[in-house]
Amino acid sequence: VQLQESGPGLVKPSETLSLTCTVSGGSISSYYWSWIRQPPGKGLEWIGYINYSGSTSYNPSLKSRVTISADTSNNQFSLKLSSVTAADTAVYYCARTTPSYDYWGQGTLVTVSS
Amino acid sequence: DIQMTQSPSSLSASVGDRVTITCRANQSIRSYLNWYQQKPGKAPKLLIYAASSLQSGVPSRFSGSGSGTDFTLTISSLQPEDFATYYCQQSYSTPQTFGQGTKVEIK
Repeated sequence: VQLQESGPGLVKPSETLSLTCTVSGGSISSYYWSWIRQPPGKGLEWIGYINYSGSTSYNPSLKSRVTISADTSNNQFSLKLSSVTAADTAVYYCARTTPSYDYWGQGTLVTVSS
Repeated sequence: DIQMTQSPSSLSASVGDRVTITCRANQSIRSYLNWYQQKPGKAPKLLIYAASSLQSGVPSRFSGSGSGTDFTLTISSLQPEDFATYYCQQSYSTPQTFGQGTKVEIK
């Protein structure tokens, strides 16, 4: 199983961060699939997940700004985080959730700056 | 939210040393505890799941124990490639939360 994040590396404050995770070697119609982030030099924060039936769960600290969706035809799932600020600058990872995170993407740095 | 606290935050050790890292939850999480290793610039790697089960491909010098609120990751004989940051994570309830990390450095 391989995961690959893609999306803009720079987002302006107040705009929406959008990332896609493309999964190969396995179907997103099985398991749960998560987004996790890590601000530079800091620890890991779970953002949320989507499961095989399309149900989602989000971190309450981000819930009002987060949407995770899936595109089963392309075996991808996506993250949208609205109204971003500098505090949202982080490396964003996608990961398979079993419920441990056994497969991860390599991560993508998203910087929020004007 | 369940708070996960690791100790120590960092440690210095030599190759061949036995290393123990502790993770404590502020409420019972049964055995829903996972351990990860992260090297600079890389994604975390799953080492131990369900408190004591070794992930496929992970060397047997890594072991985990505990249940309820107190957990331990042990490296029986530290190898050069083990110098990294280690995180615990609870998967008992959402939001899933991580410890703050333990950095293992060369002595």
